[in-house]
Amino acid sequence: EIVLTQSPATLSVSPGERATLSCRASQGVSSNLAWYQQKPGQAPRLLIFGPSTRATGVPARFSGSGSGTEFTLTISSLQSEDFAVYYCQQYNEWPPITFGQGTRLEIK
Amino acid sequence: QVQLQESGPGLVKPSETLSLTCTVSGGSISSGTYYWGWIRQPPGKGLEWIGSMSYTGTTYYNPSLKGRIAMSADTSKNLLSLQLNSVTAADTAVYYCARPLTPYALGPLHYWGQGTLVTVSS
Repeated sequence: EIVLTQSPATLSVSPGERATLSCRASQGVSSNLAWYQQKPGQAPRLLIFGPSTRATGVPARFSGSGSGTEFTLTISSLQSEDFAVYYCQQYNEWPPITFGQGTRLEIK
Repeated sequence: QVQLQESGPGLVKPSETLSLTCTVSGGSISSGTYYWGWIRQPPGKGLEWIGSMSYTGTTYYNPSLKGRIAMSADTSKNLLSLQLNSVTAADTAVYYCARPLTPYALGPLHYWGQGTLVTVSS
């Protein structure tokens, strides 16, 4: 099973600033990594996959990068609606597909 | 636009079987070989993939739950079903159904239901 480790667990950032979230895989997942955003009481929303392709309707301030075992989600200028929990997910080797434990992005 | 809606009992007793359905609208579950997935999230915790299946019956289950899971599809009603037996309090979670963006893949998961909370308690 591929384990995904996200860091940091919690990230405090001011609106308008940049946020950088990391996801490390226990073994290579090629480019088969996705990022999801989840707000309280809502289902996860696909943001980025492949690992740099934005899903439909995702603003350009969200970008993804990386390959192999190291991946990054960057939000260039945080808006109030961006404060949420973010999960990475690998779909390279399954079963099982696996998720990271999440990074909570909070307002500083 | 594909839409998914989970439904089922909100309360299940320990040792019993949890049964959920996912009704799909905006597209037929048999139009393309998509692997429809189930994911769960215990309260306040992260996401866990339960398993995925195609309408043809091909299934992939999480090894951690294997032996307790059964998934099925009803193409006439355009719905998917999940059964998890011998439940314990650790199975208390919000259960989501989801579908990947592309066929023949288990991810990334583009379409999600709103989720249904299942509590295991006597």
